[in-house]
Amino acid sequence: EAGVAQSPRYKIIEKRQSVAFWCNPISGHATLYWYQQILGQGPKLLIQFQNNGVVDDSQLPKDRFSAERLKGVDSTLKIQPAKLEDSAVYLCASSSPPSTGASYEQYFGPGTRLTVT
Amino acid sequence: AQSVAQPEDQVNVAEGNPLTVKCTYSVSGNPYLFWYVQYPNRGLQFLLKYITGDNLVKGSYGFEAEFNKSQTSFHLKKPSALVSDSALYFCAVRGFSNDYKLSFGAGTTVTVRA
Repeated sequence: EAGVAQSPRYKIIEKRQSVAFWCNPISGHATLYWYQQILGQGPKLLIQFQNNGVVDDSQLPKDRFSAERLKGVDSTLKIQPAKLEDSAVYLCASSSPPSTGASYEQYFGPGTRLTVT
Repeated sequence: AQSVAQPEDQVNVAEGNPLTVKCTYSVSGNPYLFWYVQYPNRGLQFLLKYITGDNLVKGSYGFEAEFNKSQTSFHLKKPSALVSDSALYFCAVRGFSNDYKLSFGAGTTVTVRA
């Protein structure tokens, strides 16, 4: 099966500019996650969707970050305006709920490396 | 709150020697535990998981991990390391009642020298 797709793979912007990342999860996966991975740290969950509804966005800096998952498939994460501390790898992951008989693990995309200068 | 600790930033071993990457966790109730590996410029790849049952779980690429409830640990092991095992390893945990939310450790960089 095809994996989680993300684009772009790399992005360099100046501070105060805006940027958007795109994610296409594994077909049939109802749950989609966006993580931020700062160099030297483990991934930190930013937002979790179940179909097109938000389950958890408690760690999303809502003054500058936004995310949507229209139609419950693809998702877009946006940062506006960007700050230097937003430099990180942004990972998208997807999973099937265990209630469907699937396993619990999440499947990750290759990530987008954002550099804010 | 749930959390994971990986006490070693780096682990260095010679090829052919046993490899151990340590992980301890904190969570309410029974834990779901995972190990992921990350190669340079790649996303995280799932290695193995403990949900319930046998405390020794086997995963991809010859890796295994042992769940120890009394020590709240879930150490990753490989009997004979390969140079190709050099990567960044993450332990993760979620609680039983959580909406599939994973908490990751900071990661351990494994270097296997030829």
